[in-house]
Amino acid sequence: DADVTQTPRNRITKTGKRIMLECSQTKGHDRMYWYRQDPGLGLQLIYYSFDVKDINKGEISDGYSVSRQAQAKFSLSLESAIPNQTALYFCATSDSPGTRGINEQFFGPGTRLTVL
Amino acid sequence: AQSVTQLGSHVSVSEGALVLLRCNYSSSVPPYLFWYVQYPNQGLQLLLKYTSAATLVKGINGFEAEFKKSETSFHLTKPSAHMSDAAEYFCAVSRGDTGRRALTFGSGTRLQVQP
Repeated sequence: DADVTQTPRNRITKTGKRIMLECSQTKGHDRMYWYRQDPGLGLQLIYYSFDVKDINKGEISDGYSVSRQAQAKFSLSLESAIPNQTALYFCATSDSPGTRGINEQFFGPGTRLTVL
Repeated sequence: AQSVTQLGSHVSVSEGALVLLRCNYSSSVPPYLFWYVQYPNQGLQLLLKYTSAATLVKGINGFEAEFKKSETSFHLTKPSAHMSDAAEYFCAVSRGDTGRRALTFGSGTRLQVQP
C-alpha cells in the first residue's frame, strides 16, 4: 500500500462549488504539505503543517483552507472554486528534522482538479 | 529568502549521451538541496539530496549532483541517458539553519531521451 494517499485522484467541479481534497499518510510523519503544480511553474506551496496544532500559510494560500484532523490526515478545501484553481495538487509529508536537520519530503500521487 | 532557478525548461538528449540539468540556488544561509523526478502521471520521487556532507552526491538510477558553493549551483548529471530517464526533474532548496522552513521548488526541466 502507498505511504501517502490522496483522494480523489481526479475531480471535475463547477465554479462556486466547495470541494475538499484529502490526504492520508502511514509514514508516521509529523509534517504535511499541500502544493499545486501548474505547467512551467513547478510546485507552489499552499499550506503546511508541522503538527496538528501548527498550521502555516504558504506562497499561495488565498482561496484555500486546510484542516489537520489528525497526525495522519491533512485536507485541503476550496470554499468557492474558480477556474484558475484548475491544477494538479500534491500532498507531501516529512519527518521532523531533529538533529539531522533534513526535511526530505515524500509525495502522494496527486489529485487532478478541473474547475469549469 | 531562498529561491531556485532551473535553466532550460526542456532538455533533449540522445540515448547514451550525457545528461546535464542545471540548477542554481539563492539562499542567505547554508542550504539543503534536493533533486526530485516526476514520471508521467505520478508524484515526485527523491533522486538525491545534499545536506552539507560530501559535495558530490550520488542518487538513484545513476544520477549524481555536485554542490558548488562558489557557483551557487547543484547541477544534476548522468553519464549515459536511458529511455526510462524521460521525465520532469525538479530542483528544490531548504534552509539549513532551521527546520521550520518548507521546500522551495524550481520550475522544472523536462528531459526527453531520443533513441
